[in-house]
Amino acid sequence: ETGVTQSPTHLIKTRGQQVTLRCSSQSGHNTVSWYQQALGQGPQFIFQYYREEENGRGNFPPRFSGLQFPNYSSELNVNALELDDSALYLCASSLMTGTSYGYTFGSGTRLTVV
Amino acid sequence: GIQVEQSPPDLILQEGANSTLRCNFSDSVNNLQWFHQNPWGQLINLFYIPSGTKQNGRLSATTVATERYSLLYISSSQTTDSGVYFCVCSNYQLIWGAGTKLIIKP
Repeated sequence: ETGVTQSPTHLIKTRGQQVTLRCSSQSGHNTVSWYQQALGQGPQFIFQYYREEENGRGNFPPRFSGLQFPNYSSELNVNALELDDSALYLCASSLMTGTSYGYTFGSGTRLTVV
Repeated sequence: GIQVEQSPPDLILQEGANSTLRCNFSDSVNNLQWFHQNPWGQLINLFYIPSGTKQNGRLSATTVATERYSLLYISSSQTTDSGVYFCVCSNYQLIWGAGTKLIIKP
């Protein structure tokens, strides 16, 4: 089975620009969640998508938005980039069955805003 | 919401030593996982262990759900074990501990 794939691996953007990060979920998984990890800190939950609908969101402003496609892949879009958006962005997929499910993470996209 | 506390925050050991990492959580959870984040940022799933004991090579984990804690054991440490170990709990969304930063010296 394939794992979680994220692209690009590294990205440099200018403050005020927009960015789209992509994630292909593990085969058989139907849920995708996104996390922001600043240097030296633990990941912070951004949002989660289940069957193409957002079903959970962390404490992030509306300029962070996302999509999940019918094949369960996902995009994270960030508008009006700020310097503090510089971080490692992690995508995780899981199979939501009842209440118990494990998560698999991608290698992340390291975003630098200058 | 659920609080996840990990201890110790930092651990420096000599190669070959054994270690125990602890995770306490404040409420019952349906899911608990241990992850290892290597120096390049990759998160590796070590154990999916909402309860019971599991072993995988030099690593093992035990979760006592009724007492709301989990332990990760690393035996015969190797330099490649260095990195940050996260305990992650969830009922619906993932709740992360702050991690234990482990440094294994050769």
